[in-house]
Amino acid sequence: ETGVTQSPTHLIKTRGQQVTLRCSSQSGHNTVSWYQQALGQGPQFIFQYYREEENGRGNFPPRFSGLQFPNYSSELNVNALELDDSALYLCASSLAGQISSGSGNTIYFGEGSWLTVV
Amino acid sequence: GENVEQHPSTLSVQEGDSAVIKCTYSDSASNYFPWYKQELGKGPQLIIDIRSNVGEKKDQRIAVTLNKTAKHFSLHITETQPEDSAVYFCAASTSNDYKLSFGAGTTVTVRA
Repeated sequence: ETGVTQSPTHLIKTRGQQVTLRCSSQSGHNTVSWYQQALGQGPQFIFQYYREEENGRGNFPPRFSGLQFPNYSSELNVNALELDDSALYLCASSLAGQISSGSGNTIYFGEGSWLTVV
Repeated sequence: GENVEQHPSTLSVQEGDSAVIKCTYSDSASNYFPWYKQELGKGPQLIIDIRSNVGEKKDQRIAVTLNKTAKHFSLHITETQPEDSAVYFCAASTSNDYKLSFGAGTTVTVRA
């Protein structure tokens, strides 16, 4: 158990619709990242949130957006869903500033949300 | 950006034998290298990690080695057991960028 919880676990959406996925980070972690994992591939970085602001973004279009709340939980929103958006969406939490303490940027993943776009 | 390559893509071993997975990375600034195990239908589970100031790290049956000069790192699993069957991912990141760049994964099957 990593302490990172995601909801919903599975959902089916129609092309063109919008979806919101939610994540609660591990207790004490202030940084949340989102990854997309297509079937048979490694996770791909979408973006990261730190102190409620986007702090780095991967190669994903603007219809992928997010939020981080004061309690460090986060949402991933995807607009105008396309068939290729079907994937496992993973939330990961970490504690910024661990590097200086020598602990490294240890990142823990949740179980993910399976999104199917039909 | 960082490019991580992972080999082999599939690995079948007899129970009790060792398994080795190798990864290379492109960005010399990368200094953190975690390994994740992912079972079917679940999220990636951190099993071991290594930082650039260390050449080797061991945790029971699992060990990781790092060669910064050659920019490659490896996962070693000894005395494999059926429950070691899963997909294993290597990853890399830098101090200034918490983004993980993942390899494509290795599907490990341990034959009883």
